Amino acid sequence: NAGVTQTPKFRILKIGQSMTLQCAQDMNHNYMYWYRQDPGMGLKLIYYSVGAGITDKGEVPNGYNVSRSTTEDFPLRLELAAPSQTSVYFCASSYSSGIKYEQFFGPGTRLTVL
Amino acid sequence: RKEVEQDPGPFNVPEGATVAFNCTYSNSASQSFFWYRQDCRKEPKLLMSVYSSGNEDGRFTAQLNRASQYISLLIRDSKLSDSATYLCVVLTGGGNKLTFGTGTQLKVEL
Repeated sequence: NAGVTQTPKFRILKIGQSMTLQCAQDMNHNYMYWYRQDPGMGLKLIYYSVGAGITDKGEVPNGYNVSRSTTEDFPLRLELAAPSQTSVYFCASSYSSGIKYEQFFGPGTRLTVL
Repeated sequence: RKEVEQDPGPFNVPEGATVAFNCTYSNSASQSFFWYRQDCRKEPKLLMSVYSSGNEDGRFTAQLNRASQYISLLIRDSKLSDSATYLCVVLTGGGNKLTFGTGTQLKVEL
């Protein structure tokens, strides 16, 4: 049981390039999330999904796109990378509800845009 | 006003000390409350949920005051391994969306 996995771990992009951050979970969780964390800041929600085929915007969606074709995978697409997108990106997943609600996080992708 | 506010610290304490972190939240409709721990350059991990009656897990005690929209975390007998950033987290609204505070950094020293 790998939990939440993310690839790549690190990436340097040039301004204007595009890339996809991969996220997968093997816990059969309905809900999946993408966050970004800037230095000294809390996590900001980019996009989330409540199930396959359903996605919705979070607090900071501009410059990003997502898709959820399967329960397991939730890739995050950056189009036309900008220096403001330099951050650490965390993917998370959870069950929909429960007394002991918890989001499980992947190890993160550190992205630098130069 | 930020949705979730925390003192950023750092709190530098000696081993064995008791330390308390506070957090306030602005949305009175918030449903659930948590403390997450984040080690340097690692992902956040759930430390404990916070229940209305207060709850304890070993050396850690969490309290919730809904009237004052205030959450606290008390760590007793601090260990070197407790050094980390503690994130106050609130669940509000549909989609089980979490709102994170910026975190309070704790450094436990010999």
